[in-house]
Amino acid sequence: QGQLVQSGAEVKKPGASVKVSCKASGYTLTDNFVHWVRQAPGQGLEWMGWINPNSGATNYPQRFQGRVTMTRDTSISTAYMELTRLRSDDTAVYFCAREDGNEVFDIWGQGTMVTVSS
Amino acid sequence: QSVLTQPPSVSGAPGQKVTISCTGSSSNIGAGFAVHWYQQFPATAPKLLIYANTNRPSGVPDRFSGSKSGASASLAITGLQAEDEADYYCQSYDISLSDSRVFGGGTKLTVL
Repeated sequence: QGQLVQSGAEVKKPGASVKVSCKASGYTLTDNFVHWVRQAPGQGLEWMGWINPNSGATNYPQRFQGRVTMTRDTSISTAYMELTRLRSDDTAVYFCAREDGNEVFDIWGQGTMVTVSS
Repeated sequence: QSVLTQPPSVSGAPGQKVTISCTGSSSNIGAGFAVHWYQQFPATAPKLLIYANTNRPSGVPDRFSGSKSGASASLAITGLQAEDEADYYCQSYDISLSDSRVFGGGTKLTVL
């Protein structure tokens, strides 16, 4: 069925960068888009963009353009999301999710807590 | 300020039926794009509950059902159980925002 396992929690200072990993198992990473979604404490879900692991193509919403970069390493079945110039309002749980090809997020990673604090 | 609008909270007694609405616009749900629903318990990842408006993944009880009409969609839960207490999110696709996926703001279901 497949599984996504993310890297552990991070604490960063304002202005720093964070890179979160998302390792796929039980399916072939390159068969499906991987999306990133974040959730600030007590808030809803916010879509951050996708990567096509087969081609490396990416798409980010305007609010994250210039600050987010999604990459992948197919040799280890892992996708990455890097967010730069961190601010306190970037404090959130970051999830990766597999899209099944019909805009449905059918498999989710367990989430990675990123705390931005001075 | 989510693109899709959901009520912040709904509640119901065990055994009752509750409905959660998800209202969009002509650039997402109203344009014919499918609506998907996710269930999220505290400190866990969302789980797919309903996909393509009305379909349940295997393992999801038939107490959960989805519908769509025009620019809105609904999630219905019948025979409410205590373990249904969770947050519920709708999600769709929006053509006005460059291949964007959009979420509702989420609805907290309380089982009284």
